[in-house]
Amino acid sequence: DGGITQSPKYLFRKEGQNVTLSCEQNLNHDAMYWYRQDPGQGLRLIYYSQIVNDFQKGDIAEGYSVSREKKESFPLTVTSAQKNPTAFYLCASSLFADSGNTDTQYFGPGTRLTVL
Amino acid sequence: GENVEQHPSTLSVQEGDSAVIKCTYSDSASNYFPWYKQELGKGPQLIIDIRSNVGEKKDQRIAVTLNKTAKHFSLHITETQPEDSAVYFCAASLNYKLSFGAGTTVTVRA
Repeated sequence: DGGITQSPKYLFRKEGQNVTLSCEQNLNHDAMYWYRQDPGQGLRLIYYSQIVNDFQKGDIAEGYSVSREKKESFPLTVTSAQKNPTAFYLCASSLFADSGNTDTQYFGPGTRLTVL
Repeated sequence: GENVEQHPSTLSVQEGDSAVIKCTYSDSASNYFPWYKQELGKGPQLIIDIRSNVGEKKDQRIAVTLNKTAKHFSLHITETQPEDSAVYFCAASLNYKLSFGAGTTVTVRA
């Protein structure tokens, strides 16, 4: 898991509630990513950020929001607009785009979100 | 965007035998191909990667090959051990974004 931490490990949410997942890294990486993983499927990109105060939508951004106020932190909010939020959420980080190993992404341990 | 297909979805091998997982990608501009191992309830761990200017890379019992012309790459695990049992994902990078295959569940039988 390297220097990437995610909290909490398990999270339960009632329908209609927003919930925020935490992701912190101490690797001095510029880029950070959020993925969603459903059973039997690969990882799908929700949002990514290559630099502080900037982020871009991934393939499945609807119903999610992010912020990048600090280099070390990239929290993900799952809003009530996300129709099927129960999944395993993974945060990752990598060096900035113009570095030699920029594409190598390192993952955190994940947060399992269950909607009750 | 990039589309990555991975086969097989499940693989059962006898301990000591080899395991091979194959992936294809759609965009010839993809230039980086990592492989991840994921154990139950944990985040994926990078086990090996290869860049588009290299055809093969090896790290102890693990090797990856890349055929840019055919747009496919493969993971080879030799002398499999019970601790190799996990889900393995391939990925392809285009514009700093990774696209993942659906995963292969590898079971090593003792």
